[in-house]
Amino acid sequence: AQTVTQSQPEMSVQEAETVTLSCTYDTSENNYYLFWYKQPPSRQMILVIRQEAYKQQNATENRFSVNFQKAAKSFSLKISDSQLGDTAMYFCAFMAPGNTGTASKLTFGTGTRLQVTL
Amino acid sequence: NAGVTQTPKFQVLKTGQSMTLQCAQDMNHEYMSWYRQDPGMGLRLIHYSVGAGITDQGEVPNGYNVSRSTTEDFPLRLLSAAPSQTSVYFCASSYLGGGGYLSKTQYFGPGTRLLVL
Repeated sequence: AQTVTQSQPEMSVQEAETVTLSCTYDTSENNYYLFWYKQPPSRQMILVIRQEAYKQQNATENRFSVNFQKAAKSFSLKISDSQLGDTAMYFCAFMAPGNTGTASKLTFGTGTRLQVTL
Repeated sequence: NAGVTQTPKFQVLKTGQSMTLQCAQDMNHEYMSWYRQDPGMGLRLIHYSVGAGITDQGEVPNGYNVSRSTTEDFPLRLLSAAPSQTSVYFCASSYLGGGGYLSKTQYFGPGTRLLVL
């Protein structure tokens, strides 16, 4: 079974600064998908960024980028130029493509609560 | 597109009562799933479905039933509510097809907060 570990329960960053959230995972699969979801106080789960393990290039979405280290099984999220609206819970999630019945199961980490301050 | 919708937003139940949490999506997604979110534990999969008439258990299925009679709807039933089922429930959906991670990205509803007394 896959596991996802987020070792930072809480983090704080000042507005306009850069912050990196850590995520590690354990799997025996060779190809898989990784996601970061954001959950603001509204509780809505919002997709931030996604990465396929076969792609060596790190994914980027505007101010959000990842550092994907496949050998180390690490998938960290970097938020540049932090904004007050980035304050949220951030979840790392793992999906192993496989048979139809299991292909879309997501395994989540326990989350990192990020507070952006003035 | 409304995306994934869930009703109700909030519900209070007494121990032993039953209820159904509704989930609907208008994206023609084959895959639908239910998660529960508890403090400090992330989201855990309850049940999922890969198409109408096909459902299966996830990580924490006890005390919950599901059925999928249409592509659009995937209700979650609590048979006899217990305080341990106090949680926030999320429904999510995605395609199943061969489009890789782009098509398999799951989109979530706004959640239902359930309090069992």
